[in-house]
Amino acid sequence: AQSVTQLGSHVSVSEGALVLLRCNYSSSVPPYLFWYVQYPNQGLQLLLKYTSAATLVKGINGFEAEFKKSETSFHLTKPSAHMSDAAEYFCAVSLYGNNRLAFGKGNQVVVIP
Amino acid sequence: ETGVTQSPTHLIKTRGQQVTLRCSSQSGHNTVSWYQQALGQGPQFIFQYYREEENGRGNFPPRFSGLQFPNYSSELNVNALELDDSALYLCATLGTSGGDTDTQYFGPGTRLTVL
Repeated sequence: AQSVTQLGSHVSVSEGALVLLRCNYSSSVPPYLFWYVQYPNQGLQLLLKYTSAATLVKGINGFEAEFKKSETSFHLTKPSAHMSDAAEYFCAVSLYGNNRLAFGKGNQVVVIP
Repeated sequence: ETGVTQSPTHLIKTRGQQVTLRCSSQSGHNTVSWYQQALGQGPQFIFQYYREEENGRGNFPPRFSGLQFPNYSSELNVNALELDDSALYLCATLGTSGGDTDTQYFGPGTRLTVL
């Protein structure tokens, strides 16, 4: 079975500073990996995904993530945090063909002015 | 805008009651999944429906059941509600365009509170 680990439930970052959210996965076969963002009282919005094409993936709102098989990681970054980035971020993994997502516990991002 | 809608937005029930949550998606979305998101947690996979048949279930008891209809709408039914069933319930459909059929798009969710 596949699983995802996200460390540090709350992440504080200064406006304009680098955003780095870590995600490590466990999967017996090559996975598909996703990052979703959730704003208060809303559903999940897809930020970006890795599905065995380019290992550096660019998403919406200036976010990107790099798939590193040797480290079983898929960390999310954004060079410069904006106040509107305050939200909860979830990393998720699925196996090819089954389309069932296993989520991490999430990172609550707080942006400090 | 994902084209996935859910109703109702909020719901309050008492322990032991039954509840039905609904999800609608655009034409062509023949795979729907349901997730439960408890407060402060990531979503947990409940089950998935494909062409009106259950196509996989997570670690949830049989009192969680579902239906999918020919018009691509779906229901999640929960019997004998327990306090721990209080959560945000999300439905998701797969993209239908060529490079998107591996991606799940989520509705806004239904917030269920069990008292």
